Amino acid sequence: LAKTTQPISMDSYEGQEVNITCSHNNIATNDYITWYQQFPSQGPRFIIQGYKTKVTNEVASLFIPADRKSSTLSLPRVSLSDTAVYYCLVGGRRDSSYKLIFGSGTRLLVRP
Amino acid sequence: SAVISQKPSRDICQRGTSLTIQCQVDSQVTMMFWYRQQPGQSLTLIATANQGSEATYESGFVIDKFPISRPNLTFSTLTVSNMSPEDSSIYLCSVEAGQSNYGYTFGSGTRLTVV
Repeated sequence: LAKTTQPISMDSYEGQEVNITCSHNNIATNDYITWYQQFPSQGPRFIIQGYKTKVTNEVASLFIPADRKSSTLSLPRVSLSDTAVYYCLVGGRRDSSYKLIFGSGTRLLVRP
Repeated sequence: SAVISQKPSRDICQRGTSLTIQCQVDSQVTMMFWYRQQPGQSLTLIATANQGSEATYESGFVIDKFPISRPNLTFSTLTVSNMSPEDSSIYLCSVEAGQSNYGYTFGSGTRLTVV
């Protein structure tokens, strides 16, 4: 069962690139890695998902090394509105059941 | 991707009572997931609900405390039974996004306070 760990918090400034890493040493073969953003009083919002190597979409990139025991979410040129908690989610379907493990979350503060 | 409506959005309940949370999806989905998010904490999966069968509970969660119904492919309920202050949390439902590589979609949650 993948146990995921993340830094508790990070500080950045507007316009900088932010990289948040998640460790998941026990990731299973079928597990995907998904990152979410959560604002207070809202449900998590999907950012990006990957299985291996690099994935990029219009808001972020996700880097996954070959051993898949970690992943890094990269947010280019953050703005004040990116201040939120970021979670990695590791898991997926396992035969007839699901295993879904959220990381502890990283609180990102973006300063002017 | 799927749109989820959760009701109620918040409630304050007396200890010893029960609260049923509803989750409505705008499209048919096979699996629905219920999570708990304790104050200031991450999300923990409570159970997975498949239409027409008993929900599958994660370690630490039992059906007597968190009974789940899944009467059709667009709706589910989670009941928090015999509540205590320790049950004060946000409860969220989730479904697979329906598109490959888009992960899971979440409702906005139900903030429960037990007094």
